[in-house]
Amino acid sequence: QSALTQPASVSGSLGQSITISCIGTSSDIGSYHCVSWYQQHPGKAPKLLIYDFVHRPSGIPDRFSGSRSGNTAFLTISGLQPDDEADYYCNSFKTTNSYVFGTGTKVIVL
Amino acid sequence: QVQLQESGPGLVKPSGTLSLTCAVSGASFSSNTFWSWVRQAPERGLEWVGEISDSGSTKYNPSLRSRVTISLDKSKSQFFLNIRSVTAADTAMYYCARHLSCAQGDWGPGTFVTVSS
Repeated sequence: QSALTQPASVSGSLGQSITISCIGTSSDIGSYHCVSWYQQHPGKAPKLLIYDFVHRPSGIPDRFSGSRSGNTAFLTISGLQPDDEADYYCNSFKTTNSYVFGTGTKVIVL
Repeated sequence: QVQLQESGPGLVKPSGTLSLTCAVSGASFSSNTFWSWVRQAPERGLEWVGEISDSGSTKYNPSLRSRVTISLDKSKSQFFLNIRSVTAADTAMYYCARHLSCAQGDWGPGTFVTVSS
């Protein structure tokens, strides 16, 4: 099944805000509230940042926020910090009764 | 606090069966929860493999459905992944996870499986 589309990389300076897009279709992001975002540092397991489009698990700072517009989901990171340099993945439930991840975005902190 | 730990052979021969176990501690298998397997090939992105509910109902990635079975043993607080007829394309880090709503909330550290003769 086709992955959701994310930009290969996004960069920003310390303290700035960046937004990562996740483009889907009416068969996934556009139809369900089940959209989540994950952060993955090299050699580590992914970590859940956002679930159900906008909710943060316990312990995730409010610098991370999620939103949606149509068939596209967005992750915004405010007040960029050195440890935010990592890979980020979106994920959505689909009409095929399955989940699909995004292609992944490398965030570079300048 | 919930902890998940994957285990299984690190090397599987082509055409064989990949079998992994996820041991869960600190969480109940009777709280209407879902449990997933996710994999990541070297230098590649994440791929959802499938999930199982506490009641045993399953969902699978359509591209893997014909080869994958996920099961659970509540008495042992474990769930399992089997992939049949493996090829080199199944070489990956395999993660198990517990859902938070419809997201993979808590993850194990992962176990790497190589398919090679």
